[in-house]
Amino acid sequence: QKEVEQNSGPLSVPEGAIASLNCTYSDRGSQSFFWYRQYSGKSPELIMSIYSNGDKEDGRFTAQLNKASQYVSLLIRDSQPSDSATYLCAVNGRVSGGSNYKLTFGKGTLLTVNP
Amino acid sequence: DAGVTQSPTHLIKTRGQQVTLRCSPKSGHDTVSWYQQALGQGPQFIFQYYEEEERQRGNFPDRFSGHQFPNYSSELNVNALLLGDSALYLCASSFPNVDGGYGYTFGSGTRLTVV
Repeated sequence: QKEVEQNSGPLSVPEGAIASLNCTYSDRGSQSFFWYRQYSGKSPELIMSIYSNGDKEDGRFTAQLNKASQYVSLLIRDSQPSDSATYLCAVNGRVSGGSNYKLTFGKGTLLTVNP
Repeated sequence: DAGVTQSPTHLIKTRGQQVTLRCSPKSGHDTVSWYQQALGQGPQFIFQYYEEEERQRGNFPDRFSGHQFPNYSSELNVNALLLGDSALYLCASSFPNVDGGYGYTFGSGTRLTVV
């Protein structure tokens, strides 16, 4: 059973459009949720974190969290070719039976923004 | 404020050999996690170290071992290398945020190629 699932992609959008990335998770005890951007051959770069239900906006990026539905999404407005990358959803959940936390990643969604 | 430093950046090893990867966490971070990222996949959790002890472990064989030193730096050791161990190895350091979340910072990774 996969713990974090993302829409498989790849996703292709024209420049200036809105890109929508989705993620579901299985652990209801998860506390924090992150979106990372990863360019080919590079390490993940944090672009958004969200801890409470609702929307969180940062520039062209909006993260949405719905804990009841175990769903988190990322919207990228006015998409630019430089946004072309793999987007990783990551969930920080409690390790069963303990007080420790572990960051679990989805497989990632490859986004291509076409000029 | 230095981020997470990993060394070496690239490494080529022969099957059956052993390898040691190193990680220095971000200043103020006391927890180090290691991830393996195969091509086209999301990062997979290997293990996490806190207070010089392995606190939790992912689904990796005993060939993967680690260590954390009193200054919080960490090593990942892989014995009897297999071709399938070829991947990007990522180190992430973390510390609880005041808002109850966790801040994770990733290093630039070590690209290991096993031939």
